[in-house]
Amino acid sequence: DAKTTQPNSMESNEEEPVHLPCNHSTISGTDYIHWYRQLPSQGPEYVIHGLTSNVNNRMASLAIAEDRKSSTLILHRATLRDAAVYYCILRDVTGNQFYFGTGTSLTVIP
Amino acid sequence: NAGVMQNPRHLVRRRGQEARLRCSPMKGHSHVYWYRQLPEEGLKFMVYLQKENIIDESGMPKERFSAEFPKEGPSILRIQQVVRGDSAAYFCASSPHRGPTDTQYFGPGTRLTVL
Repeated sequence: DAKTTQPNSMESNEEEPVHLPCNHSTISGTDYIHWYRQLPSQGPEYVIHGLTSNVNNRMASLAIAEDRKSSTLILHRATLRDAAVYYCILRDVTGNQFYFGTGTSLTVIP
Repeated sequence: NAGVMQNPRHLVRRRGQEARLRCSPMKGHSHVYWYRQLPEEGLKFMVYLQKENIIDESGMPKERFSAEFPKEGPSILRIQQVVRGDSAAYFCASSPHRGPTDTQYFGPGTRLTVL
């Protein structure tokens, strides 16, 4: 699995949109982009995943660059409950595991 | 449908003792993954098991660590002769299938403290 690069930390005001970037310049054509988040003292939970097209679900949106070398997780209205570490992960068809980097620690300011 | 269950949630051991961590996957899930998270770090893959088989143990230390997923019962991660450096949170995840789009469902973790 290829590596990803994320900012260590970000802040957002409550009820404002948040854009969490991820660089994955060595991504291969078969790698899927996954996002998980880990709330304090909990296990990670799934947020969203995609391959080429932008994706939306009830939690977030995933915007994938045309060359797939970067992606952005979008939380449309941050709440205090969104404060967590967000991990951007690549997974290929042969991979048995997820590679978690250090992620982005998101602080939501009331 | 209950989520992934891990027990104990907290485990304290003295150096040299054995630690046994249990993971019950979600109902219908036959794929189990173990991860370790050191303080202030991301999760590191340890081992991937499918019922009765170890598929990938490339992240597992060669000594003192072992894992199993028997036909009946939970998956077990065993750490023999624990040392202080084994203190960490250990997370188990399960999935119904294996593939690049499969979601892994994580348990709440077992926090191991070695005195």
